[in-house]
Amino acid sequence: EAAVTQSPRSKVAVTGGKVTLSCHQTNNHDYMYWYRQDTGHGLRLIHYSYVADSTEKGDIPDGYKASRPSQENFSLILELASLSQTAVYFCATGTGSYAEQFFGPGTRLTVL
Amino acid sequence: AQSVTQPDARVTVSEGASLQLRCKYSYSATPYLFWYVQYPRQGLQLLLKYYSGDPVVQGVNSFEAEFSKSNSSFHLQKASVHWSDSAVYFCALSMGYNQGKLIFGQGTKLSIKP
Repeated sequence: EAAVTQSPRSKVAVTGGKVTLSCHQTNNHDYMYWYRQDTGHGLRLIHYSYVADSTEKGDIPDGYKASRPSQENFSLILELASLSQTAVYFCATGTGSYAEQFFGPGTRLTVL
Repeated sequence: AQSVTQPDARVTVSEGASLQLRCKYSYSATPYLFWYVQYPRQGLQLLLKYYSGDPVVQGVNSFEAEFSKSNSSFHLQKASVHWSDSAVYFCALSMGYNQGKLIFGQGTKLSIKP
C-alpha cells in the first residue's frame, strides 16, 4: 500500500481558476513538502510543513498557498492558476533533520 | 549559496557497460547527500544516501556512490547496467537542521542501448 498518495494524478485547469492538489500520507512523518518539477529541471521546493495547522515558505512560494489540516494531509492551493504553473507537482514526507524524503507519484497539472 | 550541479543532462551507455553519473555540490558545512531515481510517470525513489563515514556507500540495485570532500562531488556508479536502469537520476543535498529541505540537481536522463 502506497505511503504517500496524491490526488488528482492529472488535472487540466483554466487560467485564473482555482486549483487544489491534495496529498495524504501514512508514513506518520512530521514533515511534508510540496515540490514542482519542470521539464528538464530538478525539483524546487514550494512550501513545507512540520506540524499540523502550520506551513512554511520554500524557495518558490509565489502564487501558491499551502494547508496542513492534519498530520496526514497537506494541500497545495493555486488561487489564480497561470500558464507558468503548468508542471508536475510532487508531495513528499520526511522526519526532518537530514533524513531522506519519500515521494508521492506526482500530479501533472496543465493550465490552459 | 548552496547548490547541486549535474553536468550531464543525458547519458547513453550500452547494456552491460559501466556507468558514472556526476554530481557536484556547493555547501560550506557537512553535506548530507542523496541519489534518487525517477522512472517514467512515477515519483522519486531513494537509491542511496551519504551521511558520514566510509565515502563509498552502497545502494539498491547494485548502485554505489563515492563522496569526495576535496572535490565536492558525489558521483553515482554501477559496474554493469541493465535496460531497466533507464530513468532520470537526481542528486540532492540536505541542509538545515530539523527542516530536511532538499536541494536537487537538474537530473541526468540515462538511456541504455541494447
